[in-house]
Amino acid sequence: AQTVTQSQPEMSVQEAETVTLSCTYDTSESDYYLFWYKQPPSRQMILVIRQEAYKQQNATENRFSVNFQKAAKSFSLKISDSQLGDAAMYFCALTQGGSEKLVFGKGMKLTVNP
Amino acid sequence: GAGVSQTPSNKVTEKGKYVELRCDPISGHTALYWYRQSLGQGPEFLIYFQGTGAADDSGLPNDRFFAVRPEGSVSTLKIQRTERGDSAVYLCASSPDRGGNEQFFGPGTRLTVL
Repeated sequence: AQTVTQSQPEMSVQEAETVTLSCTYDTSESDYYLFWYKQPPSRQMILVIRQEAYKQQNATENRFSVNFQKAAKSFSLKISDSQLGDAAMYFCALTQGGSEKLVFGKGMKLTVNP
Repeated sequence: GAGVSQTPSNKVTEKGKYVELRCDPISGHTALYWYRQSLGQGPEFLIYFQGTGAADDSGLPNDRFFAVRPEGSVSTLKIQRTERGDSAVYLCASSPDRGGNEQFFGPGTRLTVL
């Protein structure tokens, strides 16, 4: 079975600072994909970043980057130069090759202070 | 272009009633997913369609839940004999193909069973 664990229910960061959100996962498969999704109060889930497990290089998308530690089954998200619009729930998720369903963690609420 | 749309945005019903929730995926997306998100939790997988067929319905909690996608586009999630525990946000997502691609989410339907 696949599991995703987000152990920090809430975090806060000052505007323009950097924050790291942690995520650990468990899967028995070697072919899988990891995601960070953002859910603002509007409820619509928005993809932040995606990582293919077979790629050693950490994914980056502008101010967002990941630290993918495959042996430790860790997938943390770093947000640089935090902006007020980054405030939201953040969900870490996993899908295994051959199974299209996403398995989500419980989420973490990020507050950005001006 | 247009994103995933879901109707209604909110639905209030009484215990024991039948409800239908509709999802319009992004045009051309062959894969469609339903998730259920309870308060304070991450989304939980319900069912996945590839084209018209349900490729994985392992997440449906019981036989009161049923979903269809007769023409490979619009999907309807049907819940019979609703119970208070069915209250949640029901999210729909679509993706262009299989293989760990990004899933594009709709804004969800908030179902409240009184």
